[in-house]
Amino acid sequence: SAVISQKPSRDICQRGTSLTIQCQVDSQVTMMFWYRQQPGQSLTLIATANQGSEATYESGFVIDKFPISRPNLTFSTLTVSNMSPEDSSIYLCSAKTGTGINQPQHFGDGTRLSIL
Amino acid sequence: SQQGEEDPQALSIQEGENATMNCSYKTSINNLQWYRQNSGRGLVHLILIRSNEREKHSGRLRVTLDTSKKSSSLLITASRAADTASYFCATPYNTDKLIFGTGTRLQVFP
Repeated sequence: SAVISQKPSRDICQRGTSLTIQCQVDSQVTMMFWYRQQPGQSLTLIATANQGSEATYESGFVIDKFPISRPNLTFSTLTVSNMSPEDSSIYLCSAKTGTGINQPQHFGDGTRLSIL
Repeated sequence: SQQGEEDPQALSIQEGENATMNCSYKTSINNLQWYRQNSGRGLVHLILIRSNEREKHSGRLRVTLDTSKKSSSLLITASRAADTASYFCATPYNTDKLIFGTGTRLQVFP
């Protein structure tokens, strides 16, 4: 399975600032995704990071707030823009190495974000 | 909501006991994946059971799937303190996107 590294692992940010989270996979993958996990909650999909084109966002998430890049098959970034305390969450990157519905997704260690 | 429901929300057991957690969805299930999350860190993929499978084993893990009831169960046998974690089920929709369950917090006491 792919090894997924996320940076930073955690950060404390001021209200109104932006932070970019990086996700690096050790092999080429077909699909990359970004999830949010609010405190004490389950995971919610933010968007699918598409290589070489605009990300596909889920309902309730917009590009202006969560711009995503995926310049190649192994790397993606998620920016959390104009942060407020409600954005305090764990942000997780995931990747899928094969095609087909029965290929598992693997996750990075997540980025724990606290906004003051 | 398409989110899966898991029960129990929390489970406390002694080392050596078995732990069972259940997951159900309102949507149809193509496959069912179980993940473990330690202390709010990343998710570790435990096992995937396909829609044409009824039961699957991996070490001390046993997973069942009932597609007609849209439900699954995860059994951890002979639990250890190191099994203390949150466990999430997930099923794909639109081929690749995962819908997660609400999660079960397992505490195993030495």
